Amino acid sequence: DADVTQTPRNRITKTGKRIMLECSQTKGHDRMYWYRQDPGLGLRLIYYSFDVKDINKGEISDGYSVSRQAQAKFSLSLESAIPNQTALYFCATSDLGDSGRAAGHEQFFGPGTRLTVL
Amino acid sequence: DQQVKQNSPSLSVQEGRISILNCDYTNSMFDYFLWYKKYPAEGPTFLISISSIKDKNEDGRFTVFLNKSAKHLSLHIVPSQPGDSAVYFCAATLDNYGQNFVFGPGTRLSVLP
Repeated sequence: DADVTQTPRNRITKTGKRIMLECSQTKGHDRMYWYRQDPGLGLRLIYYSFDVKDINKGEISDGYSVSRQAQAKFSLSLESAIPNQTALYFCATSDLGDSGRAAGHEQFFGPGTRLTVL
Repeated sequence: DQQVKQNSPSLSVQEGRISILNCDYTNSMFDYFLWYKKYPAEGPTFLISISSIKDKNEDGRFTVFLNKSAKHLSLHIVPSQPGDSAVYFCAATLDNYGQNFVFGPGTRLSVLP
């Protein structure tokens, strides 16, 4: 079973609709992230959370909100979807090493959600 | 302005030869660099990393070189195999706590049999 799962895998919606993308992880990691990938731009950080009570904005948080319902769950919402939010969305997790630094800074990614806003 | 650049969108290499993927960065404060590999319909997976205090890190067929003065790193794959065909992302972190990950746009590697 995958350690980081995302639902749905694909979604087509219309402008103005509210959309929620969900992420679950079984790795036991405290840190969770949401990224979007656009052609030619790599992955850009939307929001991140270091524990259940911690939520932080990333590089491109406008138009998005998140909820950390539990250590294992981190959802991303588009309150009113617009066409330029059409992208591939990835959830990721990471952990801290014994030194307190992010262990190797490695992140573990889910399979992605392809969102199309018409 | 992108802080992490991968100027080659694609690269084709013959099986058995060396693949060299390049990455340039603009922020001298980055202290850790990573390479991720991504297959279609899957999320990126971690490949190899290097700390800014080193200039080389090797793991099997994969070696990453870091030239801090040039703000340049490269990933060498020797020998290249068809299964290495994927998109490779270079990424950098800005701090000890790993929240500021900056990714490059990726290079699509095709290894031809």
